[in-house]
Order: sequence, then structure tokens, then C-alpha cells
Amino acid sequence: DAGVIQSPRHEVTEMGQEVTLRCKPISGHDYLFWYRQTMMRGLELLIYFNNNVPIDDSGMPEDRFSAKMPNASFSTLKIQPSEPRDSAVYFCASSPPDGRAQETQYFGPGTRLLVL
Amino acid sequence: KQEVTQIPAALSVPEGENLVLNCSFTDSAIYNLQWFRQDPGKGLTSLLLIQSSQREQTSGRLNASLDKSSGRSTLYIAASQPGDSATYLCAVKRAGNMLTFGGGTRLMVKP
Repeated sequence: DAGVIQSPRHEVTEMGQEVTLRCKPISGHDYLFWYRQTMMRGLELLIYFNNNVPIDDSGMPEDRFSAKMPNASFSTLKIQPSEPRDSAVYFCASSPPDGRAQETQYFGPGTRLLVL
Repeated sequence: KQEVTQIPAALSVPEGENLVLNCSFTDSAIYNLQWFRQDPGKGLTSLLLIQSSQREQTSGRLNASLDKSSGRSTLYIAASQPGDSATYLCAVKRAGNMLTFGGGTRLMVKP
């Protein structure tokens, strides 16, 4: 398997523009997670899905952020409008079905976002 | 609310030294604890996973321990090498399959 795939790998945009980040989880994984990593706040969970359904979005910073998972092989994280403080690395991760304490999460390479 | 703390934030050691990274968490109701490695500009890679019923796990030169009652875990790296230079993060798994991460320890092993 190719692992978790994220695109784009780098994104530079201007304040006010819409940004869409994409993720393809590992085939067969039921869980998909979106994280944000910054120097100040570390790695934070934004939202996660189980079987394409959003389960917990309490980490989403504000209404400018939205995430969707239209099918088991694709998810998007959208920021509209973007602001400079959204600059960060955004990671997508996936994991097999829950209930087994030995399962880990598999991370994609991340999208480095810079909002000017 | 679960909080995870890692000490030290950064560590620099000469090659060959044995070292210990520390992780503490506030809520002992966890399913497992994991140690990840992150190289600059890369994603996270899982190194070791300790289930809540276990005390330790070993993989090569790495050994991780877990003491749930005291809310502590350590990652022991034996005979460190320059290739071990990276950021190491610990994370605890809680209800709902969610991970809470510590801030990480940035390790540099000098040749």
C-alpha cells in the first residue's frame, strides 16, 4: 500500500483565499484524522471520521474550517477565508477499526501551508 | 482533560551514549501509549506501542516502559547514532480512538 496520501505537499496563498487540502487514507482503514502542527501548539487533533461520518470536530478552530469525507477513500479540509495564523503543517492520518488497543495511526507526509 | 508533557524539550548527546526520554500524562484511563518519530519535513512514524495492560515494549535499540498508576512513560535509546536524530513524540490513546500528543523531544546525536 502507498500509505496515506496528501496533496498538495506545499501551499502558499494570500490571506482571504480559500484553501483545500486533500487526503486519501490507507485502503481498509475506517478512521480518518486531521491534525494541525505548529511550533506554539504542537500537534492538535482537528476532526476525525469513522466510516465517513464526522465523530468529533471539537478541535476545529472556528467556522472558517470545514472537513468532509464523501467516501471511504477521500477527505478534504477546507479553510475559507484563510488567515496568516492558519499557517501550519496539516497532517492526515488513518487507522484500522477500533476496539483493538494494539492499533496505531498511520500519518501522511503533511501539507505545509503558508498564508501571506 | 488529558494533558501530555515531554521532558526535555531538546537534547543533544554524543554518539554512542544511552539516553532516556520522558513522557507524563494526567489521566490514567488510557488504552495505550505510543512513541512516534518525526524527521524534519516528514510525517510521524510509530516506533513502539504499549497497551495499557503492558509494562514495556522493545524494538531493537529502543525500549519503552509504561507506568499507568504514576502517569509516566520512558523511551530508552541504547548506543545512540546520528541517524537517531529526530523529534520523538509520545501520545496516549483515549476513548473514541483519539490520540493526545506531547510537545515532543528534539534529539540531536552528534558524531
